[in-house]
Amino acid sequence: EVQLLESGGGLLQPGGSLRLSCAASGFTFSTYAMSWVRQAPGKGLEWVSTISVSGDKTYYADSVKGRFTISRDTSKNTLYLQMNRLRAEDTALYYCAKTQLGYCSGGYCYSDLLDYWGQGTLVTVSS
Amino acid sequence: SSELTQDPAVSVALGQTVTITCQGDSLRSYYASWYQQKPGQAPVLIIHGKNNRPSGIPDRFSGSSSRNTASLTITGAQAEDETDYYCSSRDSSGDHVLFGGGTKLTVL
Repeated sequence: EVQLLESGGGLLQPGGSLRLSCAASGFTFSTYAMSWVRQAPGKGLEWVSTISVSGDKTYYADSVKGRFTISRDTSKNTLYLQMNRLRAEDTALYYCAKTQLGYCSGGYCYSDLLDYWGQGTLVTVSS
Repeated sequence: SSELTQDPAVSVALGQTVTITCQGDSLRSYYASWYQQKPGQAPVLIIHGKNNRPSGIPDRFSGSSSRNTASLTITGAQAEDETDYYCSSRDSSGDHVLFGGGTKLTVL
């Protein structure tokens, strides 16, 4: 059974830093891309970042680029999100998700599949 | 455009058919993925690709696309289908993932 367990959330002041973790089990972590998606209270889903299988390619939403860093440790089956210079608008429930990257083939393009999600960890940025 | 647009709310009578749409320029190139999110729970992937359902997703859910619009159809809506639905796609550059704003489905 695939399990994703996020941790590391909390309450902190604007400008602060935080590192989220996502412990993965039940699948071969080293063969899947991984993503972070967040959801502000009462709002919709917002993609944050994706990391490739090998970790050599990373992608970020414009809203977090330059402040957040995604990484992975295959030896620990763990995904991370280092969040710096946090803002009030970063307040959200942060989900990690097992990801099958989108691709194009035969004239068609297929979107990323986030096929398993954790239950999320809450980050609150407030003074 | 780097946006996916969904109607905020849609309603359907119990047992009837409803279609939830998602519009965006990137959908001219990409098949969308669809997610269902029930209150207090993580999203669940329900449709991907041309019209593929992960294991365990009822066959009353189906997907289609035309030009810049992706559609999620529920044939014979059930009470438990009353919840939020999100479409997703890569953007036109291919480097970012987009989510639509979500559609809240009410089953009357």
